[in-house]
Amino acid sequence: AQSVTQLDSQVPVFEEAPVELRCNYSSSVSVYLFWYVQYPNQGLQLLLKYLSGSTLVKGINGFEAEFNKSQTSFHLRKPSVHISDTAEYFCASFTGNQFYFGTGTSLTVIP
Amino acid sequence: DVKVTQSSRYLVKRTGEKVFLECVQDMDHENMFWYRQDPGLGLRLIYFSYDVKMKEKGDIPEGYSVSREKKERFSLILESASTNQTSMYLCASRPSGLGTQYFGPGTRLTVL
Repeated sequence: AQSVTQLDSQVPVFEEAPVELRCNYSSSVSVYLFWYVQYPNQGLQLLLKYLSGSTLVKGINGFEAEFNKSQTSFHLRKPSVHISDTAEYFCASFTGNQFYFGTGTSLTVIP
Repeated sequence: DVKVTQSSRYLVKRTGEKVFLECVQDMDHENMFWYRQDPGLGLRLIYFSYDVKMKEKGDIPEGYSVSREKKERFSLILESASTNQTSMYLCASRPSGLGTQYFGPGTRLTVL
């Protein structure tokens, strides 16, 4: 079965500090990976996606993620966070014509 | 820009009421989905549809039904609402094949 694991349910970080949100996937076939962000009381918005090609993917709002096949990981990073990055972040995989979502990581940026 | 709209942002209903949640997308996507989102559980798939009049059960279909009479509209129905159906409901759509899934703003349903 396909699955996505987000290792941290909550991540507090000070403003302007770097952050990494961890995601591991399990798949025996080709996999496509996504990160979504959900601001309070809103739906999910696409941050970035990996379909093929370069393993380093850049997204909106200064976020990037690296696809690591040997470690089956797709961690999300930002070198310097802002207060406005406070949100819920979801990692997702697309395989077999279905999306599989992780349980989410709540990022809180502390002033 | 893809737009997925949901009929209500907030809804309060009483136990036993029949509840309709409507979702409309404007990008001619074949696939549409209903999820519920609960703290600590992430997104759980309730039902999805690959085409008009087609529906497939997701991971937690019990207590729900769906209707897709037109390509752009996908409705979620709670035949007899219960308090354990209090949740955030998210609709999504996606083109066929590999593609980004687009979400609506969500409906926060409270069943009293």
